Amino acid sequence: NAGVTQTPKFRILKIGQSMTLQCTQDMNHNYMYWYRQDPGMGLKLIYYSVGAGITDKGEVPNGYNVSRSTTEDFPLRLELAAPSQTSVYFCASSYSGEGYTDTQYFGPGTRLTVL
Amino acid sequence: GQQVMQIPQYQHVQEGEDFTTYCNSSTTLSNIQWYKQRPGGHPVFLIQLVKSGEVKKQKRLTFQFGEAKKNSSLHITATQTTDVGTYFCAGPGTASKLTFGTGTRLQVTL
Repeated sequence: NAGVTQTPKFRILKIGQSMTLQCTQDMNHNYMYWYRQDPGMGLKLIYYSVGAGITDKGEVPNGYNVSRSTTEDFPLRLELAAPSQTSVYFCASSYSGEGYTDTQYFGPGTRLTVL
Repeated sequence: GQQVMQIPQYQHVQEGEDFTTYCNSSTTLSNIQWYKQRPGGHPVFLIQLVKSGEVKKQKRLTFQFGEAKKNSSLHITATQTTDVGTYFCAGPGTASKLTFGTGTRLQVTL
């Protein structure tokens, strides 16, 4: 199993540009998450999904959009990049359910710089 | 909402010294998880504690879950340079999400 994969590894955007961060997991996990981590800081939840077709906002959703058309894929879309979105973005997945939270498996991250 | 705080934020030790990080939740937790993130890497799951007062060991790492299930600690005995990184605790929040702690960054020098 490849686990959780993310592309690209690095990206530099200009202000106002758009991009999609890709995330794929091959563990048949129902839950998927997007976090951002600013330098020297903790993890902030952007969006999450409890299954295909279902997504919900996390702590810091503004400026981002997601979709979940399949169990495996959970892309994150930045529409109008701003310098405040310079960060490392981690995708994660887990097998969780009502009242049950399993461990989360993280991808290697995408390092995004907006200039 | 639920908050999970960790202290200290940062600790610098000499190799061979012990290290402890403490995790405190504003709410009672059904379980607590610990993750390690190496510099430039991604968080990796270490362990999960479920029972009140539970203690688990992984080689030089000792994890404890408080009796009230609102706090936890990670103790590393005789640190090595391979222990460098940031240690996060995490507790279940709403909708089966995890609330991650603020993290403790450990630096180990020879």
